[in-house]
Amino acid sequence: EVQLVESGGALLQPGGSLRLSCAASGFTFSNYWMDWVRQVPGKGLVWVSRINSDGTSTSYSDSVKGRFTISRDNAKNTLYLQMNSLRAEDTAVYYCTRDFHSSQGNWGQGTLVTVSS
Amino acid sequence: QSALTQPASVSGSPGQSITISCTGTSSDVGGYNYVSWYQQHPGKAPKLMIYGVSNRPSGVSNRFSGSKSGNTASLTISGLQAEDEADYHCSSYTSSSTYVFGTGTKVTVL
Repeated sequence: EVQLVESGGALLQPGGSLRLSCAASGFTFSNYWMDWVRQVPGKGLVWVSRINSDGTSTSYSDSVKGRFTISRDNAKNTLYLQMNSLRAEDTAVYYCTRDFHSSQGNWGQGTLVTVSS
Repeated sequence: QSALTQPASVSGSPGQSITISCTGTSSDVGGYNYVSWYQQHPGKAPKLMIYGVSNRPSGVSNRFSGSKSGNTASLTISGLQAEDEADYHCSSYTSSSTYVFGTGTKVTVL
């Protein structure tokens, strides 16, 4: 069974940094592209970032480009999202997802990031 | 990248069919056959219901179907059931090699 478990969410002040992790199991992690998607509670989904299977290619939404960095450790079956220069508008639940035919096929349960002074 | 446009809410009675639209541009929905639909119940993670415009993952009921015409994609739920009451989100690959989601639609079963 595919499992994606996010961790690292926290309450922090504007300008701070945070690294989210996503532990993957139940599949060959190194074969799959992965994404981060976020959602303000009660609002719509917003795509954040994508990384290819070996970590050599990444893409970002304009709203996080230059501040967030996606990475992965295939030996540890773990996906990361390093978030710097955090803003109030980055407050959201962050989901880790596994690619399925160019869609977000499997989702974790999410981890909440709150940016507030 | 602006969010794809979905109606805020759609409702129907049990057994009826409803259709949710998802309107984008030629740079996303109209340009690629990579439109997906997700179902999300309150407090839960989204679930993939349709990928590649009209394909259902294994285990998804055939009451769910997807289509596309021009810059607008659609999700149809036939034989509406109480368990279908949820939020639905569309998504598309874009010409910037990114993804964009829709504004989300709340489906209510009357």
